[in-house]
Amino acid sequence: DTAVSQTPKYLVTQMGNDKSIKCEQNLGHDTMYWYKQDSKKFLKIMFSYNNKELIINETVPNRFSPKSPDKAHLNLHINSLELGDSAVYFCASSFRGTFNTEAFFGQGTRLTVV
Amino acid sequence: DQQVKQNSPSLSVQEGRISILNCDYTNSMFDYFLWYKKYPAEGPTFLISISSIKDKNEDGRFTVFLNKSAKHLSLHIVPSQPGDSAVYFCAVSSTGNQFYFGTGTSLTVIP
Repeated sequence: DTAVSQTPKYLVTQMGNDKSIKCEQNLGHDTMYWYKQDSKKFLKIMFSYNNKELIINETVPNRFSPKSPDKAHLNLHINSLELGDSAVYFCASSFRGTFNTEAFFGQGTRLTVV
Repeated sequence: DQQVKQNSPSLSVQEGRISILNCDYTNSMFDYFLWYKKYPAEGPTFLISISSIKDKNEDGRFTVFLNKSAKHLSLHIVPSQPGDSAVYFCAVSSTGNQFYFGTGTSLTVIP
């Protein structure tokens, strides 16, 4: 009964391909996030969805398109993959607008573009 | 532009001694401060937090200190144990609206 689960854990693909990463949370949270951890280990916010609505889009190329079919799921689709997209992508969830709340993370998806 | 900075990428400490991890943030609007622990090939897991109305929060061997005037927080682990070896991320939030993370400090506790 994993709280935040994302699939796949590893993804190796060629440049130019399109791929998706799926994320699901069973915590009843209303907000979900995608973070990217690059080679410098910096955990950078990419997107945030609250109740299926996009609330944060942090200067991410439009090749990245998040999709939230319901508030328990937030998938990340990446078109025309580039070498620089290689990173670890983390999904997370939390309650928004609630004081003293923490985010819970999935185990990460290591994307390698070759 | 990073909202959160952890200037020490790594730290080594002898088992039983104190580990002190530091974090600086830029914006005084942040009101909730968190530490996460991360093992290789796993996601970050929540460790301890503190709200802006406090300057100290303790949970067992872990204590977080907040200095709002200096925009600085620190995590103390005492006594340090080999199982504490991991990457520690500092995070800040404003009423749970978004979480900004630092680059992490890799802690190694030497037996």
